[in-house]
Amino acid sequence: GAGVSQTPSNKVTEKGKYVELRCDPISGHTALYWYRQSLGQGPEFLIYFQGTGAADDSGLPNDRFFAVRPEGSVSTLKIQRTERGDSAVYLCASSALAGRTGELFFGEGSRLTVL
Amino acid sequence: GQQLNQSPQSMFIQEGEDVSMNCTSSSIFNTWLWYKQDPGEGPVLLIALYKAGELTSNGRLTAQFGTTRKDSFLNISASIPSDVGIYFCAGQLPGNRDDKIIFGKGTRLHILP
Repeated sequence: GAGVSQTPSNKVTEKGKYVELRCDPISGHTALYWYRQSLGQGPEFLIYFQGTGAADDSGLPNDRFFAVRPEGSVSTLKIQRTERGDSAVYLCASSALAGRTGELFFGEGSRLTVL
Repeated sequence: GQQLNQSPQSMFIQEGEDVSMNCTSSSIFNTWLWYKQDPGEGPVLLIALYKAGELTSNGRLTAQFGTTRKDSFLNISASIPSDVGIYFCAGQLPGNRDDKIIFGKGTRLHILP
């Protein structure tokens, strides 16, 4: 597709359940980012991939959060034992220009609601 | 951790007015960026700044990378209704592993009818 695609667009789950959020970046983009955005806040950095490897995962809040990008394209953010505080919009972004940092192309986000 | 402080948090203006917002940090940044987010959408890049003192325009938007590398401003001239939204500054810190980009909390722009 032309842009970054995220699925599902909305996910409602119960506390304690496992959730997977998928990101399909722009074709050819080597860098992929995950952010979390709570209501009224800016995007909060979670993790960044360059190719298949997680280059910086310092933003993952705890070990319930994990992300993979096995073939250097699609990425999945996995949240175990969800808590109500995990409710937020999870944004994915990709970038092609490694030398010109910050030119991120965002998807529309996956809105997660934990009841 | 590092934080970006944006001001003002909200702005209420009349159509046609000029707008100015800024972003400051206690840390030095290598890159300053300005994004706009509309409801239900992801942020979209407006302007990217890569050198201290750089002044860059994109249509009615003008942004500057502060000479201390700790601040940036964004100006919008002659505002129109489609300028409504949330404006985020973002930056990359020197010495970070790879290309971690952090965002401010945003300035919400409202245009009065």
